[in-house]
Amino acid sequence: DQQVKQNSPSLSVQEGRISILNCDYTNSMFDYFLWYKKYPAEGPTFLISISSIKDKNEDGRFTVFLNKSAKHLSLHIVPSQPGDSAVYFCAARNSGGYQKVTFGTGTKLQVIP
Amino acid sequence: KAGVTQTPRYLIKTRGQQVTLSCSPISGHRSVSWYQQTPGQGLQFLFEYFSETQRNKGNFPGRFSGRQFSNSRSEMNVSTLELGDSALYLCASSLAGVDYGYTFGSGTRLTVV
Repeated sequence: DQQVKQNSPSLSVQEGRISILNCDYTNSMFDYFLWYKKYPAEGPTFLISISSIKDKNEDGRFTVFLNKSAKHLSLHIVPSQPGDSAVYFCAARNSGGYQKVTFGTGTKLQVIP
Repeated sequence: KAGVTQTPRYLIKTRGQQVTLSCSPISGHRSVSWYQQTPGQGLQFLFEYFSETQRNKGNFPGRFSGRQFSNSRSEMNVSTLELGDSALYLCASSLAGVDYGYTFGSGTRLTVV
């Protein structure tokens, strides 16, 4: 049972344009959401997070939007750069689950120069 | 400061053998979580340890076990290896919970032949 879903396994975007990565979840007990970026042969690195009490969080070129009613979140990268090419994982934490964080299957982003 | 260190980086084992993977968290971090990454499955949560106690466990068979030592270092053991256990095993550490930052190591690539 995949509680966090990233339905697009891959995405290609031109440099300078916006990248939008989507994530859907099914568990209404999730209260904290995160995005991680992963390069080959490295562990995932934290990118940005959002609490369920917010609907938007920005950090430089990265913005995460949360739509709780639709159980959907998205990561916007503007402008996209070739160095952003990586696999992006969406993750969610159970409100009562300590460190139990559920990850999606990932979306591979390719930014074309 | 040193990051999360996982050893070994690569491992090849034969079906039926057992294996032990090691994770040294960032100094001062008391929480260590383990994940299995396979193509198409994303990161699957194995377990989380905090102050030598297992706080959370994912849906893996009993062949997968772990422990945490008083210095917060953690080990993960897989017994009676199966071909399907071939994966990247990632360890992540944090002070106490994901809100405080969740840093991954580079992983151990296990291949079972």
